[in-house]
Amino acid sequence: LAKTTQPISMDSYEGQEVNITCSHNNIATNDYITWYQQFPSQGPRFIIQGYKTKVTNEVASLFIPADRKSSTLSLPRVSLSDTAVYYCLGNSSASKIIFGSGTRLSIRP
Amino acid sequence: GAVVSQHPSWVICKSGTSVKIECRSLDFQATTMFWYRQFPKQSLMLMATSNEGSKATYEQGVEKDKFLINHASLTLSTLTVTSAHPEDSSFYICSINSPGTGGETQYFGPGTRLLVL
Repeated sequence: LAKTTQPISMDSYEGQEVNITCSHNNIATNDYITWYQQFPSQGPRFIIQGYKTKVTNEVASLFIPADRKSSTLSLPRVSLSDTAVYYCLGNSSASKIIFGSGTRLSIRP
Repeated sequence: GAVVSQHPSWVICKSGTSVKIECRSLDFQATTMFWYRQFPKQSLMLMATSNEGSKATYEQGVEKDKFLINHASLTLSTLTVTSAHPEDSSFYICSINSPGTGGETQYFGPGTRLLVL
C-alpha cells in the first residue's frame, strides 16, 4: 500500500493558482495516483488520476515526475467553493485504499 | 465515473438498537465494495472490504460481530451497526472500484451520518 504525505493545511485567495504536493515514496509500479476532494458531510469526489508526466482535465492538472515519488495537484484560479480537504492516494485494482491525513485547503475572498 | 448511492443519508437511533445502512452501485456491477468511517476533522478510516457472495474482510480493530456486512448482489452491500452506542456515532461512507480514465478508480457514496443517543 502506498503511504502518502501531504501538508496538513494550506491557505490561498480567490483567483490564485494553488499547488498541493504529495509525497508517496513507496508507490508500487502498478499504482496510479489519484486525487480526491471532500466537502464536509459528503463522500470524497474524484478529481484527477495519472500514472506519470502530466494529466489535465476541466478541473485540475496533475504533475508526476519521472521517479513517481511525488505528485502535485494544480488548481487554476481557485474560488471560495474550492475550500475542501484534498487527498492524494496511490491505488491499483489489487489494492485497497488507505487514506492519509489530506490537505485542508482554505480559500479566502 | 460510477455512481454510488447510500441510504439513509442520516439516521438517529437510541443506544442499544441496530441500524442498517445500504450502499448501492447504480451503474456498475461491483464484486467488491469498501466501507469507511470518518470522525469529525479526521480522515477516512477503512473498516472492511465487502465481497459479493462471500464473507467481508475486516481491518484490524474493527469488530466483525458489531459491524455486520452483507454483499448479497453485485449492486448492493449493507452495513449493520448492531447494538449501537454513542461512540459509534460517525459518518459512514462506502465505495466501489470501477475502471477510470487510467487505472481502477474508487468512487464514493454520499455518506450516512449516524447519531446514537
